[in-house]
Amino acid sequence: EIVMTQSPATLSVSPGERATLSCRASQSVSSSLAWYQQKPGQAPRLLIYGASTRATGIPARFSGSGSGTEFTLTISSLQSEDFAVYYCQQYNNWPYTFGQGTKLEIK
Amino acid sequence: EVQLVESGGGLVQPGGSLRLSCAASGFTFSIYKMNWVRQAPGKGLEWVSYISSGGTGIYYADSVKGRFTISRDNAKNSLFLQMNSLRDEDTAVYYCARFAGDYYYFDYWGQGTLVTVSS
Repeated sequence: EIVMTQSPATLSVSPGERATLSCRASQSVSSSLAWYQQKPGQAPRLLIYGASTRATGIPARFSGSGSGTEFTLTISSLQSEDFAVYYCQQYNNWPYTFGQGTKLEIK
Repeated sequence: EVQLVESGGGLVQPGGSLRLSCAASGFTFSIYKMNWVRQAPGKGLEWVSYISSGGTGIYYADSVKGRFTISRDNAKNSLFLQMNSLRDEDTAVYYCARFAGDYYYFDYWGQGTLVTVSS
């Protein structure tokens, strides 16, 4: 089973600033990496798939990069609605596994 | 509009059983692969089970293998999860989630249904 490790566990950033979240895979997952956003009491929402492709309706301030074992989600200018928990998920090898999440909080 | 609506959650004693349902609408349910994903209180996401579009391909997480059974009724646009021999650690919100066509990321999720296993 591929282990996905996200860092940091909690990230404190001020509105308007840039946030950079990391996700590392225990072995290569090529570009089969997705990012999800989850707000309290809500289901996860797909943000990024294929490591760098934004899902339908996702604002351009969200961008993904990386391949192999190292991936990054960048939010260029944080809006109030972006403070949430973010999960990465690999879908290269069964079982498809999630990272433990990064909580993005207001500084 | 794609909609996935789960139901059937509740409080059950350890060793008990529960059957979850997911009603799908807004897309051609019969051609999509479907899943159950769960989230324990305050914890991360855990994939639980997968079923192919026709229902012949099925996988389970090791943590539920032999206790849970996934199924679907394409005529009724419905997905199910039969959960037997429930344990305290099965307490979670259970989400019905769709795979994005031929790719295995989750493009739509239901709102979830809470299962609480407790005596």
